[in-house]
Order: sequence, then C-alpha cells, then structure tokens
Amino acid sequence: QQQVKQSPQSLIVQKGGISIINCAYENTAFDYFPWYQQFPGKGPALLIAIRPDVSEKKEGRFTISFNKSAKQFSLHIMDSQPGDSATYFCAASRVGGFKTIFGAGTRLFVKA
Amino acid sequence: DGGITQSPKYLFRKEGQNVTLSCEQNLNHDAMYWYRQDPGQGLRLIYYSQIVNDFQKGDIAEGYSVSREKKESFPLTVTSAQKNPTAFYLCASSSLAGGNNEQFFGPGTRLTVL
Repeated sequence: QQQVKQSPQSLIVQKGGISIINCAYENTAFDYFPWYQQFPGKGPALLIAIRPDVSEKKEGRFTISFNKSAKQFSLHIMDSQPGDSATYFCAASRVGGFKTIFGAGTRLFVKA
Repeated sequence: DGGITQSPKYLFRKEGQNVTLSCEQNLNHDAMYWYRQDPGQGLRLIYYSQIVNDFQKGDIAEGYSVSREKKESFPLTVTSAQKNPTAFYLCASSSLAGGNNEQFFGPGTRLTVL
C-alpha cells in the first residue's frame, strides 16, 4: 500500500500551546519521512525530515517523533505561534526513489 | 536567485480548451514533477521526469500531457479530456544526488474552468 494517512484534518491551538499532527504509513520500504509547510497561495516547503534509524529529530520548536514498529510518525510544534498557521503535509518516500507520497494535509490555526 | 517559477499565477479556461502551464527551474535539478492539489486531498502526482526527453505517468495522468525538452523546463498541458481540471497545480524539482529526494516547489498556478 502506498498511502500515508494524516490526522487531524484541521487543528486549532492557542498561542504558546503544542500542536500535534499524526501520520501513518503502510509500506515498510519507505525510509525517508519529510514534513512540508504550506502557506496560503504558496507552494509547500520542506520543514523537517527524519529517517527511520532515529526515533526523534528536533529543529528549533519543531520535533518529529518516529515509531518504526507502529509505522507512525508525528510532528510536534512547541510554543505554537500565529505565524505557524499553515497547512502541514507529512510524506514518505524511499531514499534514492523518485516518488513521494503525501498525506492529505492538516490545516493549523494558532489563535493569538 | 535560485528557484522554481510557474506561470501564470491564475488561469481561466473555457470548457473544451487545452491550456499549458509553465514551469522553469534554475536549481540544476535532474528530476521535475507536477502535482495537483485539491482541498482535503493532499498532493497527487500527475507526471514526473528524471531526465531530459523522458517522463513517467503519476497517479492521475489521464487528461494531462507533458514534455521535457530542456533540463530547466517541464510544461504541463491540461487537455479537454481532463473532466475536472479546476485545481491548484504545483511544479516541483529535486536533485538526484544525496538520495533524500527533497522537493522544491514553485508558487503554483490556480486553474479555473469557466
């Protein structure tokens, strides 16, 4: 199966709170898991990515947690800010491969 | 500045017309991609190309055509055979070196069929 399932579809968080977005995949051949951030009217941009040889990767306020046995990974945004309001896509691909499978996206709104 | 440009930003088409969306990159990337974005459906792959003069169908290629005559350019034609073409179209590119396949996206073209 090539799908990547993403939840929730939308999320509202108070300023300073933690935003959590979850994704699950089925194809165990995937070995590269990026998250993309998209602002309205713009193209997505890579936010952070992880490979399955580590269980967590942190860059500033953004953290990916990875559970290889459960085939799940999640994005945590600490101290969420109104400027984080965007659509977030998880994705999966094979290192060296050409196709990336995207989740359906999560629209995050951070209330000031 | 290095990046991907798409034109036009907005495009209106009458039913039965073919339209071509432009995508140009100056990142010296080998691979280029076209995605369609609809609300709540994420990004769906239309076509991709790994090298000049070669391209492969993605998951939703019906009603679309592409060409890759130059490394920098990967135009997408939306034909009259595409039954529901109104969508946001994104072009992307990636380097085949390094292996991670990070995709760099253009700003998109919003196509509306009148």
